[in-house]
Amino acid sequence: IAGITQAPTSQILAAGRRMTLRCTQDMRHNAMYWYRQDLGLGLRLIHYSNTAGTTGKGEVPDGYSVSRANTDDFPLTLASAVPSQTSVYFCASSQGADSGANVLTFGAGSRLTVL
Amino acid sequence: GQNIDQPTEMTATEGAIVQINCTYQTSGFNGLFWYQQHAGEAPTFLSYNVLDGLEEKGRFSSFLSRSKGYSYLLLKELQMKDSASYLCAVRDSNYQLIWGAGTKLIIKP
Repeated sequence: IAGITQAPTSQILAAGRRMTLRCTQDMRHNAMYWYRQDLGLGLRLIHYSNTAGTTGKGEVPDGYSVSRANTDDFPLTLASAVPSQTSVYFCASSQGADSGANVLTFGAGSRLTVL
Repeated sequence: GQNIDQPTEMTATEGAIVQINCTYQTSGFNGLFWYQQHAGEAPTFLSYNVLDGLEEKGRFSSFLSRSKGYSYLLLKELQMKDSASYLCAVRDSNYQLIWGAGTKLIIKP
C-alpha cells in the first residue's frame, strides 16, 4: 500500500539521549516535511525538504536536524533530547511545494516522551 | 504575525448539519485547506479552496471569502464516524502552511 511509514510508533526517551525518527515514502513525492503536534496548538513545521539533497528550516527547527539523501527517506534527529520535545511527530510528503493544491499525505505519527 | 482561528470544540447531533468556521490573517494567500484528524491518527485531506465560493464534495462543502479572511466547512447528514478534529490551514506567500489548532467535533446520537 502506497504511503508513508514512520518508526518508531512510540518511544520513551531519557533527556540528553540522541534519537532518530525514521520516515519513508513510496509515492515518489518530491517534498517531505516534519511537523510536531501539541495539545492546543496547530501543527508546527520543524524542517522540510523540497527535493532530494535539499533541506530547509521551518517554524521550530532548534534542537532538530534532518537529511534527505534520497527521494524516499527523511529522518529527523534529536541530538540531545529535552522534555519540551515531548510531542507527537508527523512526517508528511507532497508532489511539490508549488504544484497546484500540493496536498499533504501524512504518516501515522511517532509519539515521543522525553523524561 | 500570522494567525488561524477556529473554535476549539463543537457538538452536534447525528443526522444534523454543522458549520465549522475558520478565520485567518496571513502574509499572503495561496489557498486554504481543510483536513480531518481522528483521535490518535494522521490528518487526511478533505478540501482545498483557492478562489472565492463554495466547493462541494459529497456530504462535505467548503466555502472561502478571501476579502473577509474567512472559510467554513459544512458537514451534512452527520454520522458518528464524523467525530474528529477538523484542521484549517492556509498557504502563505512563501507557500508554507499555517495551521489552526483544530476544532474537535463531537457527534451525539
